[in-house]
Amino acid sequence: DAGVIQSPRHEVTEMGQEVTLRCKPISGHNSLFWYRQTMMRGLELLIYFNNNVPIDDSGMPEDRFSAKMPNASFSTLKIQPSEPRDSAVYFCASSQRGQGGYEQYFGPGTRLTVT
Amino acid sequence: RKEVEQDPGPFNVPEGATVAFNCTYSNSASQSFFWYRQDCRKEPKLLMSVYSSGNEDGRFTAQLNRASQYISLLIRDSKLSDSATYLCVVNLNTDKLIFGTGTRLQVFP
Repeated sequence: DAGVIQSPRHEVTEMGQEVTLRCKPISGHNSLFWYRQTMMRGLELLIYFNNNVPIDDSGMPEDRFSAKMPNASFSTLKIQPSEPRDSAVYFCASSQRGQGGYEQYFGPGTRLTVT
Repeated sequence: RKEVEQDPGPFNVPEGATVAFNCTYSNSASQSFFWYRQDCRKEPKLLMSVYSSGNEDGRFTAQLNRASQYISLLIRDSKLSDSATYLCVVNLNTDKLIFGTGTRLQVFP
């Protein structure tokens, strides 16, 4: 079975440009999470969705960040305009809400570099 | 204070050694606990859940002390392939997982 799919795997962009990260969760999973990981701050939850509805976006750093989930099989995280401090690895994860253990399955991540 | 605190390490141990990692959490209402493993430049993956009674999975043993708000992971007979970062994870009975910043383990021959 396919796991969580993210694209692109690597993104290098210049400050001020718009960046769009994409995620396809595992089929049948109804919760989707966007995380950011840096050496300094570790793994931070940015936003998560249940049944395509945003539930908690308190981790979104500022208005430059936005996320959507138009259907159960696709989500995007957009940064506009991007800044060098946004450089990080962005992970998408999915889970089946209601199952014991709350195990989350992570995608391979998108490594973003903003110059 | 961080919600989940871990010693970042690194822990450098020889093959065959026993190594233990600790983790403390700040919210006494935390309900579920996990250890995730993250290899270099890879995504985190669930290693094991942590139960109140303690649980074992092969060479790995996890313990929970609710009174002290403390979680541990013991690895026996370390292998080179155990080299990774181990993330302590806490859940407040919601969909959110709170991750520690991880403890790095390096097993050498």
